[in-house]
Amino acid sequence: ETGVTQTPRHLVMGMTNKKSLKCEQHLGHNAMYWYKQSAKKPLELMFVYSLEERVENNSVPSRFSPECPNSSHLFLHLHTLQPEDSALYLCASSQDMTAPRQYFGAGTRLSVL
Amino acid sequence: QKEVEQDPGPLSVPEGAIVSLNCTYSNSAFQYFMWYRQYSRKGPELLMYTYSSGNKEDGRFTAQVDKSSKYISLFIRDSQPSDSATYLCAILNSGAGSYQLTFGKGTKLSVIP
Repeated sequence: ETGVTQTPRHLVMGMTNKKSLKCEQHLGHNAMYWYKQSAKKPLELMFVYSLEERVENNSVPSRFSPECPNSSHLFLHLHTLQPEDSALYLCASSQDMTAPRQYFGAGTRLSVL
Repeated sequence: QKEVEQDPGPLSVPEGAIVSLNCTYSNSAFQYFMWYRQYSRKGPELLMYTYSSGNKEDGRFTAQVDKSSKYISLFIRDSQPSDSATYLCAILNSGAGSYQLTFGKGTKLSVIP
């Protein structure tokens, strides 16, 4: 176990649904991240939070809405997704934003029908 | 030109072989050079990182960075079937409220017993 837990592990949703992905880290880290991993594409950094403040939003569509209520929890709220949003969504944490070592969760496999 | 180029493979080698995995990058501002390993149905885990040109060794793994050529490599000696995974290079530039982390597509490695 990496100390980063993601739920659910699998999610199937329709394009009109609203769902949320959850990430929890038990490592006492100050930075958390959301990534999208699609087949045949590089891992894409979506959002970066440092001390619960959003630092980066790499041109992610507004149908993805992150929330970081405290340094241990990170959510990704999903609404009106498209089939091309189907992917593995990974959460990670690190000691702080300058630390090169990130600890990843196992991911949520999302399918949008 | 993409910021990080990595041959996706797949790469298949016999057990005991020396494996060479490579990435090139275009942005000379990058500070940290990392290699992650990702097993099927798991999140990536950091294998090694370095921030300077030269070699860094850890057991059977050697990370090599050539900043003048913008080229990074990972060598695996005496490869084992348990090394079968996807290997991702990643390059980080972080500081002063900005964060740029770019991954390669990953190279899928199979070590055949």
